[in-house]
Amino acid sequence: GQQLNQSPQSMFIQEGEDVSMNCTSSSIFNTWLWYKQDPGEGPVLLIALYKAGELTSNGRLTAQFGITRKDSFLNISASIPSDVGIYFCAGHPRINTGTASKLTFGTGTRLQVTL
Amino acid sequence: EAQVTQNPRYLITVTGKKLTVTCSQNMNHEYMSWYRQDPGLGLRQIYYSMNVEVTDKGDVPEGYKVSRKEKRNFPLILESPSPNQTSLYFCASTLGTGYFDEQFFGPGTRLTVL
Repeated sequence: GQQLNQSPQSMFIQEGEDVSMNCTSSSIFNTWLWYKQDPGEGPVLLIALYKAGELTSNGRLTAQFGITRKDSFLNISASIPSDVGIYFCAGHPRINTGTASKLTFGTGTRLQVTL
Repeated sequence: EAQVTQNPRYLITVTGKKLTVTCSQNMNHEYMSWYRQDPGLGLRQIYYSMNVEVTDKGDVPEGYKVSRKEKRNFPLILESPSPNQTSLYFCASTLGTGYFDEQFFGPGTRLTVL
């Protein structure tokens, strides 16, 4: 099955720095989602994007739906220690209803924040 | 509290010994899925279910079985586990048609097959 490529694979940053990560696909998605996985937990939805070019914020997080519909970007501003975790992008074709479970996930970006 | 629960959270077993990982959700969701998470590969879907008695293969179904006899439960069955099934497994549920974004994940089951 298809996978989405995320980069970077891992990041070590200092508290207070801004973070950027991206996700690319060889095919088009009509919905892009960003999840965060805390250590020892399941992923939790952070941001959902539904329209090409859309820019959406959730606190210090900002995500963009790429204009080609083949990529998405996530930025975290002024990082804090609790930002540590693995960030996953996910795409959905949203072609037919009834395919709610057919999300394709990215390979993940592991974020470490040092004080 | 709305949640997805999985049991057990940790399991060490031996090759060939059948096991079942249970998953239950209390949100009356129609859609449920199983994923495995491996380093560098992210989350890959094993099986999914759109409703009771309706299941279908995801991207990596080989070596796994599922059943959906009740809406709330979606157990994952490994009939003859092998070491390459050592992984972190997540169950997830989604409300239904059109609600594909709100996928709620369980806490995970870490499986080691020796």
